[in-house]
Amino acid sequence: ETGVTQTPRHLVMGMTNKKSLKCEQHLGHNAMYWYKQSAKKPLELMFVYNFKEQTENNSVPSRFSPECPNSSHLFLHLHTLQPEDSALYLCASSQEAAAMYYEQYFGPGTRLTVT
Amino acid sequence: AQKVTQAQTEISVVEKEDVTLDCVYETRDTTYYLFWYKQPPSGELVFLIRRNSFDEQNEISGRYSWNFQKSTSSFNFTITASQVVDSAVYFCALSEAQENNNDMRFGAGTRLTVKP
Repeated sequence: ETGVTQTPRHLVMGMTNKKSLKCEQHLGHNAMYWYKQSAKKPLELMFVYNFKEQTENNSVPSRFSPECPNSSHLFLHLHTLQPEDSALYLCASSQEAAAMYYEQYFGPGTRLTVT
Repeated sequence: AQKVTQAQTEISVVEKEDVTLDCVYETRDTTYYLFWYKQPPSGELVFLIRRNSFDEQNEISGRYSWNFQKSTSSFNFTITASQVVDSAVYFCALSEAQENNNDMRFGAGTRLTVKP
């Protein structure tokens, strides 16, 4: 596997479910990111991890819970979501997150639908 | 606060036409980075270019070129002799180069359709 992979690619869940999104990067990077891409809205940065430490949380509701066990893996745990949380969730990685200088490499995303 | 505006929501051209995608940004910092990314139908964004605020040289890479104008706070992207494979959504993004900054602001994107 190369680059950044995300699983699952599609997910449908009810509002009371608990699910997790997984991201893995094979680039030897030290920073990983979660983004939300909704229809007709700019791409929104949700969380940033740099050397496994969370360095940014852009006022994301607590029903989204990130986890970064090592520099290669990033999870987004979901629980009691709302229909407006339906979106494409993109994971990205970069060499490191200092001042957001480095270009980011993105995964293909997980298309989440909350019913 | 940093902000990126891509006023063109959708552009449609015929193959071999040249097309320019506009990007206007706002920032109070003197040091910042500008990016362009391409998002093909497969979903993953692909990095195209990074420019720092002190480098106003225009850049050309094959059929792609970028025009950075600090005086107008613009970082426009031109595709020469467009091809069907250029069809994608293109995003401009801005990051302010502060030590503790971990934020990247993206524009809303421009959907480019190149017809054969």
